[in-house]
Amino acid sequence: DTGVSQNPRHKITKRGQNVTFRCDPISEHNRLYWYRQTLGQGPEFLTYFQNEAQLEKSRLLSDRFSAERPKGSFSTLEIQRTEQGDSAMYLCASSLRAARLSEQYFGPGTRLTVT
Amino acid sequence: GQQLNQSPQSMFIQEGEDVSMNCTSSSIFNTWLWYKQDPGEGPVLLIALYKAGELTSNGRLTAQFGITRKDSFLNISASIPSDVGIYFCAGPSGVDGGTSYGKLTFGQGTILTVHP
Repeated sequence: DTGVSQNPRHKITKRGQNVTFRCDPISEHNRLYWYRQTLGQGPEFLTYFQNEAQLEKSRLLSDRFSAERPKGSFSTLEIQRTEQGDSAMYLCASSLRAARLSEQYFGPGTRLTVT
Repeated sequence: GQQLNQSPQSMFIQEGEDVSMNCTSSSIFNTWLWYKQDPGEGPVLLIALYKAGELTSNGRLTAQFGITRKDSFLNISASIPSDVGIYFCAGPSGVDGGTSYGKLTFGQGTILTVHP
């Protein structure tokens, strides 16, 4: 069990560029979540998948954000036309759809800096 | 929406001291989770609580699910330098905390500093 992995760990981009992040969940976990965390705050929910179905999206997820989980395994989060306000840590988590699916396990995050 | 309030916001303690922090909500939660986050890393799950009044330990950490279901407490005994970090409480969002396990609501965190 290698845990949740995220790539890249750091991304610096210029305003207006598109960026894509990848998350590989724990292998047997069928739920995958994306959160965003800014300095001094707790993580804020963005969206989640059960297998390949995207079940819920936060109002934080503007039209410039899109997430996919095409085969129910890894997921990607794309931000189009990045803005400075998108600078944050993007966290991915996974859980097993069972009795204790509230127990979400987080990856190390991708730190995005928009200049 | 549901909000979790953590106190204190920060703590500065000496190595060996015990630590207590808490988390309160205006609405009921059916599950409470405690996470620890180190700088530049993702949160690590420490303890999960599922029943009102439940007391659960993980090594030197002990957490309690408040009987009102609107609060939870985390205690760390005999602190050591590696306990430094930010501690977050979290709970699943939903009408009563039980209708949706799809997302977690987090508190703003308690920053712990341990002086050797």
